[in-house]
Amino acid sequence: KQEVTQIPAALSVPEGENLVLNCSFTDSAIYNLQWFRQDPGKGLTSLLLIQSSQREQTSGRLNASLDKSSGRSTLYIAASQPGDSATYLCAPILTGGGNKLTFGTGTQLKVEL
Amino acid sequence: EAGVVQSPRYKIIEKKQPVAFWCNPISGHNTLYWYRQNLGQGPELLIRYENEEAVDDSQLPKDRFSAERLKGVDSTLKIQPAELGDSAVYLCASSAGQGYEKLFFGSGTQLSVL
Repeated sequence: KQEVTQIPAALSVPEGENLVLNCSFTDSAIYNLQWFRQDPGKGLTSLLLIQSSQREQTSGRLNASLDKSSGRSTLYIAASQPGDSATYLCAPILTGGGNKLTFGTGTQLKVEL
Repeated sequence: EAGVVQSPRYKIIEKKQPVAFWCNPISGHNTLYWYRQNLGQGPELLIRYENEEAVDDSQLPKDRFSAERLKGVDSTLKIQPAELGDSAVYLCASSAGQGYEKLFFGSGTQLSVL
């Protein structure tokens, strides 16, 4: 069974800092991995989808990297803003998993003015 | 384009009562998912549909939970009878294909069982 761990569980930074969120997973036979954002009381928004054959995927100030063999992914947020405050979840999909995502418990990010 | 629509937004019921949640996926998305999210946890899959067919319901507690997706569009998730431990956020999601694509989530239904 895939186990997904996200570190840190919570993070508070001043505006403008660059930061890294970490995700590790126990089964490296993944097809792809998605990073999601969840605002309080809301559903999840897909930020980036990185295929197992890719090393990186970028969208604006966000960059996700994937090291499949070591079971790790990182989400890099550049020049953080208060509007980035949310919970960030990673979710790998196992090969043959039929789009069955396994979610981590998330990193709760607060960016302060 | 409208996103995934869920209703109701909130529901408070007493234990042993029935409850139902409704989901309308993005137009054209043939795969629909129901997830349950407990406080402080990531979502867990309850059931996945491809069109009208439930292709993965291995984590659905079938003694009290049921779901249907008539005509392969809207879906309803029901709990009867509800228990205290069912308090959670129930999320619906949809995707365009049959696997490995981006998922789009609704805002969820927050259920409180008293």
